[in-house]
Amino acid sequence: AQSVTQPDARVTVSEGASLQLRCKYSYSATPYLFWYVQYPRQGLQLLLKYYSGDPVVQGVNGFEAEFSKSDSSFHLRKASVHWSDSAVYFCAVGLGYKLTFGTGTSLLVDP
Amino acid sequence: NAGVIQTPRHKVTGKGQEATLWCEPISGHSAVFWYRQTIVQGLEFLTYFRNQAPIDDSGMPKERFSAQMPNQSHSTLKIQSTQPQDSAVYLCASSLGGGQNTLYFGAGTRLSVL
Repeated sequence: AQSVTQPDARVTVSEGASLQLRCKYSYSATPYLFWYVQYPRQGLQLLLKYYSGDPVVQGVNGFEAEFSKSDSSFHLRKASVHWSDSAVYFCAVGLGYKLTFGTGTSLLVDP
Repeated sequence: NAGVIQTPRHKVTGKGQEATLWCEPISGHSAVFWYRQTIVQGLEFLTYFRNQAPIDDSGMPKERFSAQMPNQSHSTLKIQSTQPQDSAVYLCASSLGGGQNTLYFGAGTRLSVL
């Protein structure tokens, strides 16, 4: 079955530290890959997306993600987090028009 | 551009009552999606419209849930005879097209069924 897995429900890091949020997918074809962020009481906002080309894709606010076909992964990274990055992060995969979301990782940045 | 607008932000209903949720997509977007978000199930796809036509409602519970898009400027999600398990945040999103265009989400409607 096709699936998206975010193994870490919660991650806590100190402000200024680096960050990696993990995402693995299981799809028969190469899907579109997305990272979205959800701040409290808001909808989801796109951070970045990938379909082909350079496996490292840059997003907003200093985020980037790296696609690995061999590992079926699309991990999100940031070199130095800020307290305002505290939010829930969702990995999503798309085939056609439908997006399937992971369960999300809640990020808490200690100031 | 005001983004996707969802009203109301919070709706409280009694068990057995009807709830209607409204969504105004971004002007010029031809695709509208509805998702349901709960702690237990996460984000679940409900239904999708393209150019106002219903394309895929495979995520909609067959009883009590219905969605419509009577014109290009709004869509509604109606839940009849609401049950406590319907309590969730209902998110509407729109995109330029039905392919892998970016989805723009509204802030959601939190439905609480007492």
